Amino acid sequence: EAGVAQSPRYKIIEKRQSVAFWCNPISGHATLYWYQQILGQGPKLLIQFQNNGVVDDSQLPKDRFSAERLKGVDSTLKIQPAKLEDSAVYLCASSFLQGLDTQYFGPGTRLTVL
Amino acid sequence: AQSVTQLGSHVSVSEGALVLLRCNYSSSVPPYLFWYVQYPNQGLQLLLKYTSAATLVKGINGFEAEFKKSETSFHLTKPSAHMSDAAEYFCAVSDKRKAAGNKLTFGGGTRVLVKP
Repeated sequence: EAGVAQSPRYKIIEKRQSVAFWCNPISGHATLYWYQQILGQGPKLLIQFQNNGVVDDSQLPKDRFSAERLKGVDSTLKIQPAKLEDSAVYLCASSFLQGLDTQYFGPGTRLTVL
Repeated sequence: AQSVTQLGSHVSVSEGALVLLRCNYSSSVPPYLFWYVQYPNQGLQLLLKYTSAATLVKGINGFEAEFKKSETSFHLTKPSAHMSDAAEYFCAVSDKRKAAGNKLTFGGGTRVLVKP
């Protein structure tokens, strides 16, 4: 079974530029999560989708971050404009359902904002 | 609001020695509890989870954890460390209430170094 795929794996941009990350969850997984992991910290949930609907985006900085999952499968996370403090690893995870279903994580995208 | 505290950001153990990673949680109701492991340049992998069945939970790679409600703890142990256990370990909690979905709140992580 293929795991959660993410691209790119690494991205370096300058502040005020825009950037987009892509995630392809495990086939059949209805729930998709985006986490931000700042160096030295645990992951923090940014947004959770159930199919193509948003379940929780309470910690998403909506003035600069946006995410979509138009067809209930792949998802993109965008930052525009980026700030220095956005430097982090962005992790995508998916689970079959909500509740106690195990979340499976992708390898992440490491973003460096200069 | 839920929170997780992992005592010790770095732990060094000798190969063959006991591994003990500490996790304490704060929650208005007993939550579900998880331990994840993260190897360099990889995503997080579930080691084990507590879902209010047996308080002693066995996971993969010889790890186990015990839920102690009176201590609000969920410490992770492995009797004998192996070089391949070198990684970062994260404790996480999830609210039992259905309305909370499956949101995980993570601790800050503990990096384990295994010495030969």
